Amino acid sequence: DVKVTQSSRYLVKRTGEKVFLECVQDMDHENMFWYRQDPGLGLRLIYFSYDVKMKEKGDIPEGYSVSREKKERFSLILESASTNQTSMYLCASSSHLQGSNQPQHFGDGTRLSIL
Amino acid sequence: GEDVEQSLFLSVREGDSSVINCTYTDSSSTYLYWYKQEPGAGLQLLTYIFSNMDMKQDQRLTVLLNKKDKHLSLRIADTQTGDSAIYFCAEKSGGYQKVTFGTGTKLQVIP
Repeated sequence: DVKVTQSSRYLVKRTGEKVFLECVQDMDHENMFWYRQDPGLGLRLIYFSYDVKMKEKGDIPEGYSVSREKKERFSLILESASTNQTSMYLCASSSHLQGSNQPQHFGDGTRLSIL
Repeated sequence: GEDVEQSLFLSVREGDSSVINCTYTDSSSTYLYWYKQEPGAGLQLLTYIFSNMDMKQDQRLTVLLNKKDKHLSLRIADTQTGDSAIYFCAEKSGGYQKVTFGTGTKLQVIP
């Protein structure tokens, strides 16, 4: 079974802090994704990466950056946390085989509160 | 851009069938998915359907796809209290495995 592990289930930080959310997958997947989930808005894609050191902006990248130094690890960085970044953050990974069904596999999420 | 819409809430009685509906806009969708999210957890893949199919059945789950109307539905037969969760519809098109998710439908099962 695919295992996607997010380093923290709950995190509380202060406004202005630099925040790191870590995600590790154990299936050698090429693609990794960061989403945030808010009530009534579903999942919104922040950033994704299709290879080591590669990154692409998603739909809501403002205020975030990412790092993919190793294939198995994808980090989301809040450069200067603000209260409107309080949310549930979900990491996912998938294989890169084109033309076939390769669903995304999700971690359990990190509930981040910015005070 | 792509858009996927779902109603936000559905309430059913235990033992009844549940039908969760989804509409999408991207006519080039290749795969459509249903995910389940239990409280405090991530998303778990329930089932998927390829865009050239119109139906797929997997035990208590039936997926129907109307490609002309861009409408997808998930039917859960004999709904149980353990089926209470948020259900997300998602569609994939284009490269890099990017997937667009709906807003999620919260299913409440009344004992």
